[in-house]
Amino acid sequence: AQSVTQPDIHITVSEGASLELRCNYSYGATPYLFWYVQSPGQGLQLLLKYFSGDTLVQGIKGFEAEFKRSQSSFNLRKPSVHWSDAAEYFCAVNDMRFGAGTRLTVKP
Amino acid sequence: NAGVTQTPKFQVLKTGQSMTLQCAQDMNHEYMSWYRQDPGMGLRLIHYSVGAGITDQGEVPNGYNVSRSTTEDFPLRLLSAAPSQTSVYFCASSPSLGNIQYFGAGTRLSVL
Repeated sequence: AQSVTQPDIHITVSEGASLELRCNYSYGATPYLFWYVQSPGQGLQLLLKYFSGDTLVQGIKGFEAEFKRSQSSFNLRKPSVHWSDAAEYFCAVNDMRFGAGTRLTVKP
Repeated sequence: NAGVTQTPKFQVLKTGQSMTLQCAQDMNHEYMSWYRQDPGMGLRLIHYSVGAGITDQGEVPNGYNVSRSTTEDFPLRLLSAAPSQTSVYFCASSPSLGNIQYFGAGTRLSVL
């Protein structure tokens, strides 16, 4: 069955530390892939997307993600986390399916 | 530049009541969708539309109706509210199926 999995429900990192949020998908072909961010009480905002081409994708707010076909993964990374990055992050695919989300807490 | 506008922001219903959640977009997007968001479950697709006059069911359509009479509007109707429909509802629009989605701010619904 087609699915999107975010293995980590909640992650806590210190401000200034690096971040990696995991996303795995299960599809017959390579889907279009997206990362969205949701701040408390807000709607979702697109961080970045992968349609084709370069497997390392740059997004807004200093985020990047790498598509790895062999691992069916599309992990989100940021080299240095800021307190304002505390939010919930969702991985999604082009058939409108979303992962369950990863909540990020940033320690001062 | 309003984008996607949802009304109301908050609503409390009693079991059995009906209501309509409104969604409007001003980006001339063909594709619109409704999701519900519940803790630990991410966003689940309720209904979607690929253009005026065309709607289809998503993952969790039971208890909800939609219609798409214009490109701009995509209302979601709860026919007889149940406590299981307590959730946060998001409307989204996109220029095409499989493309980037633009989300409204959400409607927080409680059914008592």
